[in-house]
Amino acid sequence: EADIYQTPRYLVIGTGKKITLECSQTMGHDKMYWYQQDPGMELHLIHYSYGVNSTEKGDLSSESTVSRIRTEHFPLTLESARPSHTSQYLCASSELGPGLYEQYFGPGTRLTVT
Amino acid sequence: KNQVEQSPQSLIILEGKNCTLQCNYTVSPFSNLRWYKQDTGRGPVSLTIMTFSENTKSNGRYTATLDADTKQSSLHITASQLSDSASYICVVSDRGSTLGRLYFGRGTQLTVWP
Repeated sequence: EADIYQTPRYLVIGTGKKITLECSQTMGHDKMYWYQQDPGMELHLIHYSYGVNSTEKGDLSSESTVSRIRTEHFPLTLESARPSHTSQYLCASSELGPGLYEQYFGPGTRLTVT
Repeated sequence: KNQVEQSPQSLIILEGKNCTLQCNYTVSPFSNLRWYKQDTGRGPVSLTIMTFSENTKSNGRYTATLDADTKQSSLHITASQLSDSASYICVVSDRGSTLGRLYFGRGTQLTVWP
């Protein structure tokens, strides 16, 4: 079982609210990721980070933002939630460097915007 | 266009039976191929990782095969158990960057009935 945690696990919120999804890992991994996944669809990378103070946008355009102030923490923020943001958000982490690297996933946050 | 296609989309089998899931990819250049198991409402968990030079890898009752020439992979599950009910996701990594990029399939939803 990977030591990567996400809170909350489920969130129902009204349109226009600001939300922050938390992700933390205790493995000391440098690289962290946020994915978005709709039911029956593939995971889409929306943000990733190589380490502290590093953030990059992923393949799928997202209105969310991320920060990486501490190695173990990689929160995702939506300034103004909309129904189109309803989805499952998965956080992952991996070691940094050449060669094969395993990505460890958190349990996910199921977000519903009404 | 780099893609990962999985078949079947869904599969129902009886407990104790074997099954094989398929994955075809067009990702190039190729680095490695992974199979993940994702339980409903949870994050994916890695089952196997195979590089170009490997054509089979086992993890308990799970055996993955890779044919890099035809760009096909399969995941064989032996003596299925109820706990095998999950989505099985094929993921291919390229060598386009130092750290590689992951391309996700949509998964095969496996249901094991008693």
